[in-house]
Amino acid sequence: DTAVSQTPKYLVTQMGNDKSIKCEQNLGHDTMYWYKQDSKKFLKIMFSYNNKELIINETVPNRFSPKSPDKAHLNLHINSLELGDSAVYFCASSPRGTTNEKLFFGSGTQLSVL
Amino acid sequence: GESVGLHLPTLSVQEGDNSIINCAYSNSASDYFIWYKQESGKGPQFIIDIRSNMDKRQGQRVTVLLNKTVKHLSLQIAATQPGDSAVYFCAENAGGTSYGKLTFGQGTILTVHP
Repeated sequence: DTAVSQTPKYLVTQMGNDKSIKCEQNLGHDTMYWYKQDSKKFLKIMFSYNNKELIINETVPNRFSPKSPDKAHLNLHINSLELGDSAVYFCASSPRGTTNEKLFFGSGTQLSVL
Repeated sequence: GESVGLHLPTLSVQEGDNSIINCAYSNSASDYFIWYKQESGKGPQFIIDIRSNMDKRQGQRVTVLLNKTVKHLSLQIAATQPGDSAVYFCAENAGGTSYGKLTFGQGTILTVHP
């Protein structure tokens, strides 16, 4: 009964490949996010969706494409993977996506591009 | 003691001591602040939050202090335990059109020695 679950936990792949990370939340939240954590532990937002609509799109290469089939799911597809994409990717959700809400995070997907 | 340098700030304490973790934020428009705890291999976990109309909030063994004049946030942990060892992040929401976007600080590594 994990609140925010993402798969896979680990992803090891070659440069140039295309890969996807899936995220699901069972909290009934309207808003979901993708954050990237680099090797120095710095966490930075990538995207946010509210009820399947893209709300936040930070400066992220267009090789990264989020998709939200419904408000409980937000997947992240990455084309033509590069070495610099290696990081931990966290999915998160919040009730309404307003400015005074805490985010609930998944346990992360560690992506290693070789 | 606490040090800041090119690497993540670290704080080492003995079990039973009180810990204080500091965070400086840059956006004077930020109106909501959160502390998260991240254990190895896990996602950030909510600890406590505070809105900008408050200067202090207490939880169980934790207290957050907000000084808007100098844009400073601190997390105090009473009677620190080995299980408190983790990386601690402050995060802020700038309000307005930020929606649910949280901007994270650098992170501080807390190590508790038995």
